[in-house]
Amino acid sequence: RKEVEQDPGPFNVPEGATVAFNCTYSNSASQSFFWYRQDCRKEPKLLMSVYSSGNEDGRFTAQLNRASQYISLLIRDSKLSDSATYLCVVKLNYGGSQGNLIFGKGTKLSVKP
Amino acid sequence: GAGVSQTPSNKVTEKGKYVELRCDPISGHTALYWYRQSLGQGPEFLIYFQGTGAADDSGLPNDRFFAVRPEGSVSTLKIQRTERGDSAVYLCASSLAGPNEQFFGPGTRLTVL
Repeated sequence: RKEVEQDPGPFNVPEGATVAFNCTYSNSASQSFFWYRQDCRKEPKLLMSVYSSGNEDGRFTAQLNRASQYISLLIRDSKLSDSATYLCVVKLNYGGSQGNLIFGKGTKLSVKP
Repeated sequence: GAGVSQTPSNKVTEKGKYVELRCDPISGHTALYWYRQSLGQGPEFLIYFQGTGAADDSGLPNDRFFAVRPEGSVSTLKIQRTERGDSAVYLCASSLAGPNEQFFGPGTRLTVL
């Protein structure tokens, strides 16, 4: 089983739609959670961190369920510019020190006019 | 300010050859990571440096892969006796010490013929 699993997509949605991505992780020692965005042939960029209480950044809402080891990302009022691949990412923290990121395969979103 | 830079942006080589990929992290970032991203996959961790030393090299696939960071800044990923399966985008990321955001470079696209 992969450490981080995501909906394979692709998601093809019209402008203005609401779209939700789901992700599960297998290692209960995972401590930090993120969504990254990756445009075609570009590097990944941090979209938002995910906190246990859930957090919102404009049209984007992220939620974490530690008991179910489940992470979600909701995009409201989607724009053409939201078209990208969305990567679910977890990190194991070792005593507060840095650790590598563990990425899912990503879910491709295509927003159409 | 300047972000993470990687050279070359593209490298085409023949099976069996030796290649070096270079990463220039953001100035002042003590943590440096190498990841590899194959087509249709998320990035996979290779090695992590804290300063000059490799803090975690558990992601290196075999002993053909080696990385150095002699002065705690620039890092070089070295691949000996390249194989077709090594073809991928090699991404470098850097961050400040502690649990801080990792910033990715644009990657080096390696093609082994």
